[in-house]
Order: sequence, then structure tokens, then C-alpha cells
Amino acid sequence: DGGITQSPKYLFRKEGQNVTLSCEQNLNHDAMYWYRQDPGQGLRLIYYSQIVNDFQKGDIAEGYSVSREKKESFPLTVTSAQKNPTAFYLCASSMGSAGAQYFGPGTRLLVL
Amino acid sequence: SQQGEEDPQALSIQEGENATMNCSYKTSINNLQWYRQNSGRGLVHLILIRSNEREKHSGRLRVTLDTSKKSSSLLITASRAADTASYFCATDRDSSYKLIFGSGTRLLVRP
Repeated sequence: DGGITQSPKYLFRKEGQNVTLSCEQNLNHDAMYWYRQDPGQGLRLIYYSQIVNDFQKGDIAEGYSVSREKKESFPLTVTSAQKNPTAFYLCASSMGSAGAQYFGPGTRLLVL
Repeated sequence: SQQGEEDPQALSIQEGENATMNCSYKTSINNLQWYRQNSGRGLVHLILIRSNEREKHSGRLRVTLDTSKKSSSLLITASRAADTASYFCATDRDSSYKLIFGSGTRLLVRP
């Protein structure tokens, strides 16, 4: 089955802790994205990557970091610098620009 | 900054009725996309309409685009309870990799 997976489904973060959200795709897509969704809101772009070993900041990159060492994988780290991390995080991929994006099922991050 | 804004914010209809959602945006676009999100799930791409297109169909979905008014509408005909979801429009901007999502329309289809 081709698709995009995210893990874990739920993640709990303690004060001052860094946590990493996983995103994997087997669609052979070049581009990958991370979005944040707050309750009742649309999606806001955190980071995106057009190609392996390259990524750019989105609208709300502060307190987050990413890597793109493999085409299939685009992990997101929520650092302790992100003071309000509680949200629903969505990963997506696309074949290239200007096309449909395919989303994973999301990770809900909660702060203890 | 939000480019696309959906209207209405919430819509409740009876099964079998048609549902219309509108999206307005501010700057010129290359294309506009509509997505559906079931509660607590990821988004699902529904349809993409390019700036040189005026209307597009996909099954029970009909999308129109009016670039002079910077607006788009999504019509779902003969709605079903399974259509209950939030619907988002998304527009591209300076880089086509970047999409701007509106805050969505929450559709409830009552059986």
C-alpha cells in the first residue's frame, strides 16, 4: 500500500523536553511538508522540503527543526524553545510543486 | 497570514440536500485546491482547479473559480451523512510549494 505514515498517534512532552515526530512516505514524492493545526483552525506551514538534503522554513518555524536525509523520511523535532507546542501535527507530501498534497493521519502532541 | 477564507464557518443540512461552501482569497493564484478533513484525521485532497479554469467536476463535487472576484465555491450534491467533515480551500502563493489554508467550513449532514 502506498501512503504516508506518522507516528506516534499521540505524544506527550514534558517541560524542557525535545520530542521528535516521525513521517514516512512510500509514494516516491520529492516534496514533504509539516503543518500545525490548532483547534478549529486551518493549517499553518512549519517547514517544507523540496528535495533530499534541502528544506526551508515555513510561516511558524521558530521552536521546530527538521532533517531530510532520505527521500522517504522527514522527521520534525519540537524543541523546548517552542513554548506552546500543544497541537495536531500533520505531515504531507507531493510529487512536485503546484499539485495535490497527500496527508498522513497526524500526531497529537500534548504537554504534561 | 490567511489567504483563503471559507464561508460559512459551519453548515448543517439534511441528507440528500446540496451543500455549498465558498472561499475567498486575496492575491493572484496559480491554482486553488479543496480538501476534506474528518474529525481527528489527516486531510484528503478533493479537487484542484487552475487559474485558467472556471469550473471542474468530480463525482458529486462541483468547483467553480472566479478569478475576477478572487473566489471559489465547492458544491456537494445529494449529500450523505458520510460527507460530514470540515472542508478547506488552499491557495498557492509565492512558491507553489507553499499552500495557504483557510480556517474551513464544518459541514454536518443529518441523516
